Amino acid sequence: ETGVTQSPTHLIKTRGQQVTLRCSSQSGHNTVSWYQQALGQGPQFIFQYYREEENGRGNFPPRFSGLQFPNYSSELNVNALELDDSALYLCASTPGGRGGNEQFFGPGTRLTVL
Amino acid sequence: EDQVTQSPEALRLQEGESSSLNCSYTVSGLRGLFWYRQDPGKGPEFLFTLYSAGEEKEKERLKATLTKKESFLHITAPKPEDSATYLCAVEKTGGSYIPTFGRGTSLIVHP
Repeated sequence: ETGVTQSPTHLIKTRGQQVTLRCSSQSGHNTVSWYQQALGQGPQFIFQYYREEENGRGNFPPRFSGLQFPNYSSELNVNALELDDSALYLCASTPGGRGGNEQFFGPGTRLTVL
Repeated sequence: EDQVTQSPEALRLQEGESSSLNCSYTVSGLRGLFWYRQDPGKGPEFLFTLYSAGEEKEKERLKATLTKKESFLHITAPKPEDSATYLCAVEKTGGSYIPTFGRGTSLIVHP
C-alpha cells in the first residue's frame, strides 16, 4: 500500500500569480482534505472532497479551489497569490469516506510567495 | 464555535523524564479526538483515535486518555526520538467530517 504523495515539495511564486498543488491519495481512500499550515500553527482546514464532490469548506476565500479525480488524485488551485499564502500545504486522505477515521497525510508542499 | 487548545505550547524534557501534554476541547458533540505527531517539515503522522470519555490507548511510550472536556497524552520515559510536535484534533458529530486542529505542543527531549 503506497502512502499519500504530494508535488512539488517546494515552490516559490510571486504575488498575484496562480499555483496548482497536486496530491495522490492512497488507493481506496474516497475522501481527501486539504490544509494550510503556517509556521508554528496547527493545520487549518481548506476543503474536503468525497467521491469528486466538495464535502465541506473552511474559512478560505473562493480563490482557493480544488478538484478530485477518479484515480484518487486531487489538486489545490490558488489564484491571485498573496504574501500570507506562504505556508505548508497538506493533503490528507481518509479511508471509507466517513467520519471518525484517522487521516493519512502527505509530506506537504512548502509554498513561498514573494 | 469549536475550540481546541493545547498546552503547554513547548516542553523540554530530559531523557527518561515522564510528562503529559494536554488538549482541551469545546465541541457540541464529539465524534472522535485524534492525536498526531509531526516532525519538522513533514506531514502529521496518526497516533491515536479516542471516541468516548474514559477510553485509553497506548503505543510504546505513549498513552492517550479522554474525558468529556480534555485529553492527555502521557509520555513515559521519553527518548530523544520522541522529539516532535504533537497535534490534537477533534471531529464533531453531524455535518461534514472535518477535524479542528489545535496549535500543537512542541516537545524536545534532551539526551
